[in-house]
Amino acid sequence: DIQMTQSPSLLSASVGDRVTITCRASQSISNRLAWYQQRPGKAPKLLIYKASSLEGGVPSRFSGSGSGTEFSLTISSLQPDDLATYYCQEYSTGILKTFGQGTKVEIK
Amino acid sequence: EVQPVESGGDLVPPGGSLRLSCAASGFTFSREWMTWVRQAPGMGLEWVANINPDGSDIYYLDSVKGRFTISRDNAKNSLFLQMDSLRIEDTAVYYCARDSRGGVFDFWGQGTLVTVAS
Repeated sequence: DIQMTQSPSLLSASVGDRVTITCRASQSISNRLAWYQQRPGKAPKLLIYKASSLEGGVPSRFSGSGSGTEFSLTISSLQPDDLATYYCQEYSTGILKTFGQGTKVEIK
Repeated sequence: EVQPVESGGDLVPPGGSLRLSCAASGFTFSREWMTWVRQAPGMGLEWVANINPDGSDIYYLDSVKGRFTISRDNAKNSLFLQMDSLRIEDTAVYYCARDSRGGVFDFWGQGTLVTVAS
């Protein structure tokens, strides 16, 4: 099974900061990676798919990059509304879908 | 608006059974893969099972194989998860989601809480 490892687990930053979350796969998944945002007490929301494609309606301050085993999610200018936990998810095998353990983003 | 709505969560004893439902609207349900994802209290997301549009292709997380059954009724735009032999570790919020683009979960319900406890 593919393992997904996110870092850091907790990130504290100020409004306006550029923040980057990393996700590493235990084997190559090409670009079959999605990113989700989960605000406190809410359902997850799709942000990015195919590693770098922005889902419709998602603010352009969110971007994704990477391929193979190394991926990143960047928020170009952190906003108060971005307080959430972010998850990566691989979908390379067509069967099992594995999530990373999550990165909690706090606002200083 | 695409909006899955889950129901059926409850408190059940270990070894018990529960059936979750998900009513879908805002898209052509019969053409889409659907999935169940769960989240234990204070923990991350865990994919549980998914099903293809006509119900002929189904996959499960290893830990629920033989205990959980995913199914659908396309005439009623509904997805189901029959959960038998429930364990304490099955306690979680269960979300249904549309499974599109080969495994991307683009629309999620609000979740329904399943608590397995004596």
